[in-house]
Formats: sequence, C-alpha cells, structure tokens
Amino acid sequence: EVQLLESGGGLVQPGGSLRLSCAASGFTFSNYAMSWVRQAQGKGLEWVSGFSGSGAGPHYADSVKGRFTVSRDNSKNTLYLQMNSLRAEDTALYYCARTYEPSNGWFNWFDPWGQGTLVIVSS
Amino acid sequence: DIQMTQSPSSLSASVGDRVTITCRASHTISSYLNWYQQKAGKAPNLLIYAASNLQSGVPSRFSGSGSGTDFTLTISSLQPEDFATYYCQQSYSTPPTFGQGTKVHIK
Repeated sequence: EVQLLESGGGLVQPGGSLRLSCAASGFTFSNYAMSWVRQAQGKGLEWVSGFSGSGAGPHYADSVKGRFTVSRDNSKNTLYLQMNSLRAEDTALYYCARTYEPSNGWFNWFDPWGQGTLVIVSS
Repeated sequence: DIQMTQSPSSLSASVGDRVTITCRASHTISSYLNWYQQKAGKAPNLLIYAASNLQSGVPSRFSGSGSGTDFTLTISSLQPEDFATYYCQQSYSTPPTFGQGTKVHIK
C-alpha cells in the first residue's frame, strides 16, 4: 500500500524557518516525481513545489520561489521542503503527493496524497 | 499561469440526483484536466485524470468529459458518500493550477 506521511509542521514567527518531511513507502520512490500542495483553512488547493523523478530537478510556484527549497533523499524515500522567510500567507496545511510525470519536469496529476502537516506563521 | 474557474461554487442536491460540475480554463489545455474529491478533514483523492479517465477504484457513477477550455464532471446518481468538495486541476503547463472548488451539499 502506498503511504505518504508528512511531518515537521508547527507554529513559527514571521521571518522564521521550518523544514517539512514526507516519508514515502509502498512504491519505488526514486521513480516518481513528488510535489507539495498547500491548502489554507477553508480555501482551495495551491501547488507549491515539485521535484522531478526523471532528473529535471525542482520547480516552484512564484509565490514561494527564492524562499522555499524542495529536495529529496531517494536513499531514505523522503521528500523535504525547506521553508525560509515565512509569511502569514504561508499558513496552511501542507500535503505531499506522488506526481505523475510523463516527461521531464511536466507534472500531471497527484495521487495519492498524504494527510498533511499544518504550518502556522504567526507572532 | 492558467486560471481555472469552476461553476457553481456550491450546489445542493439529493441522493439519486444527477450532478454536473463545470470547469473552464483561461487558455486551451487540450485534455490535460484532472478532477479530485475532498471530504471534510481529509486529503484530496484523484477521481478522473486526462479529462475522462476514471482512476482505479473510483465508482463508475463518476465521469469526466471535455477538451480545450471547457470540462465537465458528472455524478450520474449522487450517493451519500459523494457529499464533498470537488476540484479541477490543469496539467497542461507548470505551475499546475486548481479551480476554486465546488461544494456539494445535501438538499
């Protein structure tokens, strides 16, 4: 069974940093692209970042470019999201999701999703 | 970025009703359109990929259609477990973008 387990969320002050992790199991992690998608309370879904499974590297939404860094450790089956210079508008539930990537850096659909980890940016 | 607009934002329906949700893209996206269901307090779940392909394990009462800029998700006979929020998502270009969601309420 494919499982994705996020961790690392919490309360952080504006300007602070946080690192999220997503531990994957039940599939060959290195063969797949992975993404982070966030959802503010009562709001819709926003793709944040993705990391190719075919060598095309990381991609970011404009809203986080230069502040967030996505990485992966295929030996540990884990995806990370380093979040720096956090803002109140980054407050959300952060999901990781396995991502179908038909060609390098082209992120298609997301399946499955983890249960999310909550990030709150507040003073 | 490609903007995705869903209509309606919410709807009320009864068990057994046929329900249709529409998604419109700001630019043509061929058939690169996916649908998700999200129940309260849960993660989204993929229903339909590439506009009309039913994801494994998803009941056949769900179907998707459309291409270009206009797409439809149809639930042929609404069941109690279908009351949820539905999102469309384009995968034609990066960044992938989602519609604002359609919440299906019990009438």
